[in-house]
Amino acid sequence: GQQLNQSPQSMFIQEGEDVSMNCTSSSIFNTWLWYKQDPGEGPVLLIALYKAGELTSNGRLTAQFGITRKDSFLNISASIPSDVGIYFCAGRGWGGYQKVTFGTGTKLQVIP
Amino acid sequence: EPEVTQTPSHQVTQMGQEVILRCVPISNHLYFYWYRQILGQKVEFLVSFYNNEISEKSEIFDDQFSVERPDGSNFTLKIRSTKLEDSAMYFCASSMGTGSVTDTQYFGPGTRLTVL
Repeated sequence: GQQLNQSPQSMFIQEGEDVSMNCTSSSIFNTWLWYKQDPGEGPVLLIALYKAGELTSNGRLTAQFGITRKDSFLNISASIPSDVGIYFCAGRGWGGYQKVTFGTGTKLQVIP
Repeated sequence: EPEVTQTPSHQVTQMGQEVILRCVPISNHLYFYWYRQILGQKVEFLVSFYNNEISEKSEIFDDQFSVERPDGSNFTLKIRSTKLEDSAMYFCASSMGTGSVTDTQYFGPGTRLTVL
């Protein structure tokens, strides 16, 4: 099956620092998604990427869709305590109705 | 803002019992999904549902699982005879189903199922 591996698995950072996390896939996806999951909650979509090479920002978040369609990264600038959570990359086919395949997750802890 | 709701938030059951997890998708959405997340692991796709039939299912979604849209608002996941390994967080999601690449799946808060 399709495998999405994220790195790092977990990270502790100081408030105000920038964060970078990566995702690589064993197969090509046409759409890349980044979700955040707070404890006891469902995943919430942060950024969606639709074209290879695309670089998209959403506030302090920036994500890129790799040229090979097999990887993506997410950067968070100037981290704040509420950035704590698990970040999942995910891949999907062209259609919005298609299943989402989630990565293994990166757990982020922010030290105030 | 419209949201997907799920009930109950936590369900405890004995092995071998049937459970029904309930979801109310966003009202104008046409595609519905169930995903599950075993504690500490990634979220996994179970099934998608459109126009009153299963659109796609994963290998996890075996004969013990079924889905139904019993009325105009609810979407349910039934596990016929629960096993210990069914213990997980179950997420319902819905999307407009336009087919557009920008169509987004919105996730509910989940139901934590504990099988004893």
